[in-house]
Amino acid sequence: AQKVTQAQTEISVVEKEDVTLDCVYETRDTTYYLFWYKQPPSGELVFLIRRNSFDEQNEISGRYSWNFQKSTSSFNFTITASQVVDSAVYFCALSGYAGKSTFGDGTTLTVKP
Amino acid sequence: GAGVSQSPRYKVAKRGQDVALRCDPISGHVSLFWYQQALGQGPEFLTYFQNEAQLDKSGLPSDRFFAERPEGSVSTLKIQRTQQEDSAVYLCASSLEHGSYLNSPLHFGNGTRLTVT
Repeated sequence: AQKVTQAQTEISVVEKEDVTLDCVYETRDTTYYLFWYKQPPSGELVFLIRRNSFDEQNEISGRYSWNFQKSTSSFNFTITASQVVDSAVYFCALSGYAGKSTFGDGTTLTVKP
Repeated sequence: GAGVSQSPRYKVAKRGQDVALRCDPISGHVSLFWYQQALGQGPEFLTYFQNEAQLDKSGLPSDRFFAERPEGSVSTLKIQRTQQEDSAVYLCASSLEHGSYLNSPLHFGNGTRLTVT
């Protein structure tokens, strides 16, 4: 069975602060894929990044960066110099052999001006 | 269309009524998924189609839930004899990928918010 845990239910920061969203996963598959999605107040989940289980390189895209550590089964997401537009619910998801994605319960990020 | 389209956006049903929720995926996307999202929680898998074949329906909560995708494009999720616990947002997502591993991202619609009174 697959499981994704996002221990932080809500995070509130002031604009320009850095913030890290944690994600811990469980799976018995040796090949799997990890994703982060953003759900703004409008409701539509938007894909941010994908990682496969064989690629532990960290990735940076603008103000976003991701830290994948297989040894601790974690796939954390950092926003540098946060902005009000970053306010949303962020979901971590895992996809394995079954072909379906398992989502965490999300972290609600509020960035105050 | 450019994205996944779901209708209606909102649906209010009286307990015991049947409802049908429609999903129009991105053209050419092979895989189609239905998820249920309760307030404050992440999406929970319901069922998955590859073209017209329903490959996994393990997440459907009861036999009152039924999904179809007869021509491998538009899909309908039907809920019979709705109950209050069925109140949730129903999300449809499509993906280019087909096969055992889903490594393409999911493209989600805006969802249908179902309220059963």
